[in-house]
Amino acid sequence: EVQLVESGGGLVKPGSSLKLSCVASGFTFSSYGMHWIRQAPKKGLEWIALIYYDSSNKYYADSVKGRFTISRDNSKNTLYLEMNSLRSEDTAMYYCAKGPHWGQGTLVTVSS
Amino acid sequence: NTVMTQSPTSMFTSVGDRVTMSCKASQNVGINVGWYQQKTGQSPKRLIYWASNRDTGVPDRFTGSGSGTDFTLTISNMQAEDPAIYYCLQHNSYPYTFGAGTKLELK
Repeated sequence: EVQLVESGGGLVKPGSSLKLSCVASGFTFSSYGMHWIRQAPKKGLEWIALIYYDSSNKYYADSVKGRFTISRDNSKNTLYLEMNSLRSEDTAMYYCAKGPHWGQGTLVTVSS
Repeated sequence: NTVMTQSPTSMFTSVGDRVTMSCKASQNVGINVGWYQQKTGQSPKRLIYWASNRDTGVPDRFTGSGSGTDFTLTISNMQAEDPAIYYCLQHNSYPYTFGAGTKLELK
């Protein structure tokens, strides 16, 4: 069974940094591209980043380009999202996803 | 960037109804569209990939169709467990983009 478990969310101040993790199991992690998608409170879904299976290519939404970095460690079956210069508008539930499978999300709140 | 416009924004239906919702892309996205269902308090779940392929375990009352710029999700026989927000996603070009969603409710 495919499982994706996000962690690392929390309450942070504007301008600070945070690193999210997503531990994958139930499939060959090193063979698949992975996504981060977020959802602000009571808002719709926003795709924010993709990393290829071998980290050879990374793509970002305009809203996070230059501030967020997606990465992965295939030896640990783990996907990461490093978030810098956080803003109030980055407040959201952050999901990792692979194909039809999504995690339960981790909540990031940016507030002074 | 490709804008995905969903309509209607919301709709009320009854059990047994046939429901149709639309997603229009601002440029040609081929068949690179997925449909997602998000029930209250849950993570989204993908129903349809490549515009018309049902994911494993998705009831056959859910049908996706379309190509190019116009896409449709149809629920042939609305069930009590189907109220949710439905989103389309284009994965033809970066950045990938979601529609704003169609909220489906029971009367």
